[in-house]
Amino acid sequence: GENVEQHPSTLSVQEGDSAVIKCTYSDSASNYFPWYKQELGKGPQLIIDIRSNVGEKKDQRIAVTLNKTAKHFSLHITETQPEDSAVYFCAAPAWGGTGKLIFGQGTTLQVKP
Amino acid sequence: DAGITQSPRYKITETGRQVTLMCHQTWSHSYMFWYRQDLGHGLRLIYYSAAADITDKGEVPDGYVVSRSKTENFPLTLESATRSQTSVYFCASSENPLSYEQYFGPGTRLTVT
Repeated sequence: GENVEQHPSTLSVQEGDSAVIKCTYSDSASNYFPWYKQELGKGPQLIIDIRSNVGEKKDQRIAVTLNKTAKHFSLHITETQPEDSAVYFCAAPAWGGTGKLIFGQGTTLQVKP
Repeated sequence: DAGITQSPRYKITETGRQVTLMCHQTWSHSYMFWYRQDLGHGLRLIYYSAAADITDKGEVPDGYVVSRSKTENFPLTLESATRSQTSVYFCASSENPLSYEQYFGPGTRLTVT
């Protein structure tokens, strides 16, 4: 089945710097890669996703890149702000097309003012 | 308000007791999921449901029971709670398996003493 590895587990940056979180997956047939943001005391929320027919997708200060050959995808946050501080999860579809997602272990991002 | 809600938000119970966590969504989404979140493990799928009366096991189903008699409700029962089930539990829903986007509830923090 699918396996998703996420690194780093914690990341601390200064406000205004960039942050990058990386994930690898095992199933070469996977075709959808979302990123979720979880603020303190809340449930995760989808912030950006990418499908396998594109290599990069941007939405304002966040972007996701996908390398299907290497089976890894990354979340890039530019000009970080304190409100970006949260736990971020990557995910990939579980085998079988059931709508299930396999999540990475999570990255706690701290943006220091 | 429309959305996905969970109750209770916090629960303390004793080892061996039965406890039920409730999940309710107002979107009429077909798919619903239960996850547990533990440090270092990210989000792990306990059970999921493709429709009313259709449920299936996820990655960590032992010790849990689910039912789905109505589309909007998906309760999770711990038949005999153990300390290892101390966790934060999230319910999520999805419109269809091809979209994969999941909407999460606010979570239930369960402590088993």
